[in-house]
Order: sequence, then C-alpha cells, then structure tokens
Amino acid sequence: DTGVSQDPRHKITKRGQNVTFRCDPISEHNRLYWYRQTLGQGPEFLTYFQNEAQLEKSRLLSDRFSAERPKGSFSTLEIQRTEQGDSAMYLCASSSKRGGRTGELFFGEGSRLTVL
Amino acid sequence: GDSVTQMEGPVTLSEEAFLTINCTYTATGYPSLFWYVQYPGEGLQLLLKATKADDKGSNKGFEATYRKETTSFHLEKGSVQVSDSAVYFCALSGAEYGNKLVFGAGTILRVKS
Repeated sequence: DTGVSQDPRHKITKRGQNVTFRCDPISEHNRLYWYRQTLGQGPEFLTYFQNEAQLEKSRLLSDRFSAERPKGSFSTLEIQRTEQGDSAMYLCASSSKRGGRTGELFFGEGSRLTVL
Repeated sequence: GDSVTQMEGPVTLSEEAFLTINCTYTATGYPSLFWYVQYPGEGLQLLLKATKADDKGSNKGFEATYRKETTSFHLEKGSVQVSDSAVYFCALSGAEYGNKLVFGAGTILRVKS
C-alpha cells in the first residue's frame, strides 16, 4: 500500500502524559499536513510542511504541540502534557505542490487520541 | 470568518433514491470548492471539485455545481447505492486561505437495501 500511513491508529493516555504520532506520506509528495477532527466536526487545519520547512501553524496549535518533518519525508506530531480536550482524531495528509494549490490532498486513516 | 455549512445528518435513503446534500459557504474571496468522502474505516478522499463559478464537478455519479449567486455547492446523485454509505464533507480552499482546506462538519449518509 503506497498511501498515507499513520501510527499508532489509537492511543489511550492519562492526562499529563506526552504522546507522539507519526505520519508517512506518499513518497513523491513534498507537502504534508496535520489536521484535527473532533466528534461531529470536520477536520481543522493544524500545520503544514513543504519538504522539511514548516510553513504555517494554526492558532489551534498551542505551545504543547510540536510537529517536525526532519528530512522532508515522515513527520511527527508531539503533544506534551496532554489534556482531556486534546482527545480527537489527528489526521495526516500529503500532496504534491500542485495538489496543495488545487486542494487535492491524500489523507491517512488517522490516529485517535483518548486522554483519560 | 470563512466557513462551510452542511445539512445535518444522518441522511437515510433507500437504494436507488435521489440524493441531495446541501452545502453553503461564506468566503471573502473566490475559493475552490470540494466534496470529500470518508468511507467506513478509510481516510478522507477527494470526490469532486469545482474551481470557479458555474463549474460542475462530477465523479462516480455524483455532481455538484459551484453557484456563486447562492454561495452553494450542493452534492447530488440520481440513484444511490448501499456502497455510497459514508460521511461526506464539503470544503473550500484558495490562495486567500493559504491553500488550506476549510471543512464543513460532515453529513452521514446511510443507504438501505
């Protein structure tokens, strides 16, 4: 399968713990996006990378959140000192540069975070 | 701010029924409009898009027309199948929004055989 893959698919943690999610994009895509989706809502933009550069961060991305894409391939999203309000599905998507301009993103299945 | 509003679901239809899922948007510029679909257990995938007023996007029997005068992009299909059961998301994007997708809340479609 050469689609976008995310790991882990589901993480249950206690409040205050740190969690890290990984995303492997489609190999030829140079843009990578993180979105968050809560129950009954559509995905909300968090941040995106072009190659290894993080070009934009949403105001939703508090100081406890950090995303990296060190070699322009896979990306990690870390949440420090988790809070119950962080419980959500974290979606990763990738696109070519052109696809990013035209809105054609390829999404992974998501990583569901449950904070107890 | 810019936003997308979709009709609330779930929408439950019998097989071969006609489908309409309403979508309206508010935007300061001239966005491109999209429908994404999420089948059970899968990631979101692009269903169709339209980039300017009066454009019609179509795919897999689904259609939507970009109506600037009514700021709408309603999704239609003439005859739904059980396999169309999914969550449908309307979205907009454009240079004015940093080319980010802004999604509606999604509409669950259930098709009964």
